[in-house]
Amino acid sequence: DSGVTQTPKHLITATGQRVTLRCSPRSGDLSVYWYQQSLDQGLQFLIQYYNGEERAKGNILERFSAQQFPDLHSELNLSSLELGDSALYFCASSRAGRRGYNEQFFGPGTRLTVL
Amino acid sequence: DQQVKQNSPSLSVQEGRISILNCDYTNSMFDYFLWYKKYPAEGPTFLISISSIKDKNEDGRFTVFLNKSAKHLSLHIVPSQPGDSAVYFCAASPNAGGTSYGKLTFGQGTILTVHP
Repeated sequence: DSGVTQTPKHLITATGQRVTLRCSPRSGDLSVYWYQQSLDQGLQFLIQYYNGEERAKGNILERFSAQQFPDLHSELNLSSLELGDSALYFCASSRAGRRGYNEQFFGPGTRLTVL
Repeated sequence: DQQVKQNSPSLSVQEGRISILNCDYTNSMFDYFLWYKKYPAEGPTFLISISSIKDKNEDGRFTVFLNKSAKHLSLHIVPSQPGDSAVYFCAASPNAGGTSYGKLTFGQGTILTVHP
């Protein structure tokens, strides 16, 4: 158990819909990262938040957005869903954005299926 | 453009022998490297890391070697155990201070199977 929690574990929805994925980082971790794992793309970095502020951005679609709240939990919002958005979405957390503290600990993931 | 590559999709090893998983990278800005292990339907589990100021880091049965000039790292597992069977990902992070610091770039993974 990494200490990172993600809900829900599974999500099935239809094209065009909007969903919210939730992540609670390990106690004391200030950074939260979101990754997408699809069959053909491997693990792809989406976005990072550090203590409530956006720190780094990957190839995140404009239809996707995220935020980190004062209690450090984070939400990833996916809207206008398409079939190709079906994937595993992982959240990870780490202590801080400093050298030597970048081991990221991953949650169990949310499996999103868009029908 | 795949900046982190694991060229072997799979590796099969006998229990008790050494498992060597390889990873190559192309981006010179990477200076921190990690290995993760992943079971189906679970998140990646952190195994071991190494910074660019070192060429070797050891933790129990796991040793990571870094060859900066060749932009190559490897993970050695000795002795291999059936419970080590999983997908292994190498990942790389750029150096501190950059705007993309913290972003991990992952390889495609290598499926390790350890036979009893």
